[in-house]
Amino acid sequence: GAVVSQHPSWVICKSGTSVKIECRSLDFQATTMFWYRQFPKQSLMLMATSNEGSKATYEQGVEKDKFLINHASLTLSTLTVTSAHPEDSSFYICSAAAGLAGGAYEQYFGPGTRLTVT
Amino acid sequence: AQTVTQSQPEMSVQEAETVTLSCTYDTSENNYYLFWYKQPPSRQMILVIRQEAYKQQNATENRFSVNFQKAAKSFSLKISDSQLGDTAMYFCAFTPYGGSQGNLIFGKGTKLSVKP
Repeated sequence: GAVVSQHPSWVICKSGTSVKIECRSLDFQATTMFWYRQFPKQSLMLMATSNEGSKATYEQGVEKDKFLINHASLTLSTLTVTSAHPEDSSFYICSAAAGLAGGAYEQYFGPGTRLTVT
Repeated sequence: AQTVTQSQPEMSVQEAETVTLSCTYDTSENNYYLFWYKQPPSRQMILVIRQEAYKQQNATENRFSVNFQKAAKSFSLKISDSQLGDTAMYFCAFTPYGGSQGNLIFGKGTKLSVKP
């Protein structure tokens, strides 16, 4: 099956600093990747859709200047949390999309990154 | 708006028994996919099963099967011979054909505990 990696799996940073999370599709090319945020005991909340070679599409309420997304190649998307604050502490999950019949997508998920901002 | 509803926040089952998780959805689309994802304590999202709406036959993957009722917009997951490793959050999800972004619409999840 398709494998998606995320790095780092866990990061602690100080308030005001920036942190970058990488998402890689290891054995397939993904023109579309997704970034989610998950609070404890809740479902996944879509933050943005990342398309290779173009600007990401952010969901309503997600600050694009705070959560910078770059999808520079067909196997790598990055999420940079800029000027992080304690309220940005969360579990961030990426997924890479593989095409299905009918123009739909199946998503393969990375293992997630736990971000703690102190 | 397209929505996915999982009405059972938590369920438990004895090892080796069968359990059914419910999911209903709302959409005006005629062609779409439905998924069940499992998220164990490791928090890695794992695809359990996929159903294409135009297929009348219910999908099956080993001990996991679905009961897909398109007219009722219902998509339940049956786990047979439950194992301790089935303990996880289970999310039902929907994606339409030809979606411009291809994003999944998730339910809120059902926490399943398998007891020895």
